[in-house]
Amino acid sequence: GIQVEQSPPDLILQEGANSTLRCNFSDSVNNLQWFHQNPWGQLINLFYIPSGTKQNGRLSATTVATERYSLLYISSSQTTDSGVYFCAGGNNDMRFGAGTRLTVKP
Amino acid sequence: NAGVTQTPKFRILKIGQSMTLQCTQDMNHNYMYWYRQDPGMGLKLIYYSVGAGITDKGEVPNGYNVSRSTTEDFPLRLELAAPSQTSVYFCASSYGSTTNEKLFFGSGTQLSVL
Repeated sequence: GIQVEQSPPDLILQEGANSTLRCNFSDSVNNLQWFHQNPWGQLINLFYIPSGTKQNGRLSATTVATERYSLLYISSSQTTDSGVYFCAGGNNDMRFGAGTRLTVKP
Repeated sequence: NAGVTQTPKFRILKIGQSMTLQCTQDMNHNYMYWYRQDPGMGLKLIYYSVGAGITDKGEVPNGYNVSRSTTEDFPLRLELAAPSQTSVYFCASSYGSTTNEKLFFGSGTQLSVL
């Protein structure tokens, strides 16, 4: 199965800072998504982005399918952005990375 | 719409007991998935299904069984529970089409095997 690597594993920011999270895939995927898991364990879908660039408010994501990686950008971070960010990819089976734990300090 | 509903939310099992985790979705999604998440870790795929009557193994299928007799339901069966199966279990679903494949998750089942 596909291997998914995320970096960095941990990230601590001051409120208002920007950040970039990266996801690498061991093989081509036709489905790629980013999720946020809040401190209560709930998983929220941020982006479905097998290729190209999408933006949603302060968050944007870019996937370069030919090079098998995706980036998640968080601008002007807020304390409510804290939590774990996961990317997942695959074809019929969706595999998750180990996540990036983001802490935004006031 | 209720979305993806998992029951129970919490369960404690004794070693060797069996149980079924229930998952149902009301979005007419074709694809359904079971994941487990150990503390501080990512999600590991246990089993998945691309439609009624079709199931496939994921990364960590040992000790689990699934069935998909209807589009709505995808129960996960634990036989002979072991402490290593202590985890949070998430069910997810998606349309599975090439234009709309977003995964939607249930709220999870926290299982402890003692």
